[in-house]
Amino acid sequence: RKEVEQDPGPFNVPEGATVAFNCTYSNSASQSFFWYRQDCRKEPKLLMSVYSSGNEDGRFTAQLNRASQYISLLIRDSKLSDSATYLCVPGGTGGFKTIFGAGTRLFVKA
Amino acid sequence: EPEVTQTPSHQVTQMGQEVILRCVPISNHLYFYWYRQILGQKVEFLVSFYNNEISEKSEIFDDQFSVERPDGSNFTLKIRSTKLEDSAMYFCASREDYEQYFGPGTRLTVT
Repeated sequence: RKEVEQDPGPFNVPEGATVAFNCTYSNSASQSFFWYRQDCRKEPKLLMSVYSSGNEDGRFTAQLNRASQYISLLIRDSKLSDSATYLCVPGGTGGFKTIFGAGTRLFVKA
Repeated sequence: EPEVTQTPSHQVTQMGQEVILRCVPISNHLYFYWYRQILGQKVEFLVSFYNNEISEKSEIFDDQFSVERPDGSNFTLKIRSTKLEDSAMYFCASREDYEQYFGPGTRLTVT
């Protein structure tokens, strides 16, 4: 199993749609999880942190399933500006090495 | 809002030359990282730095690479003898607790 696996997409959705991405991870020792968004040729920007079962911030909801070792990101009422690549990052194993998922591309269309 | 800064934004160098990429992490952060991202590929971990020493490095971070925190603010990545395949975006990141914050990156082009 890869350390971090994400569906590369692309997901093409209309404005206003709800879209969900999944990410699976192999290291069961991971304690914290992060979703970053990355625009083309820009740096990753922290979107959400998940330390327990989930987190919600406005239109964005992240849920963690430790038993199945996956985290999801739900985006409600998609905006054109949500078009980006979403990167999943498991962390908090006590080590310093950080493995990024390859990302899921989202295109939101008018 | 404090942010990580990186210079230069773009560096062009010839194969075999040495380059130094510079980063200024967020001032109260204690953990520092370098990543690279080859065009069209995923973000790859290179090295982490804590308490003035390397805490972990990847297999990419071979003897051609080194990092340094020469003073209280800068964090540098040196590539001793660049290769064509070193062409990539190099991102610096820093953290205080668990959340890493990234700089805007340096685009390195090796010709």
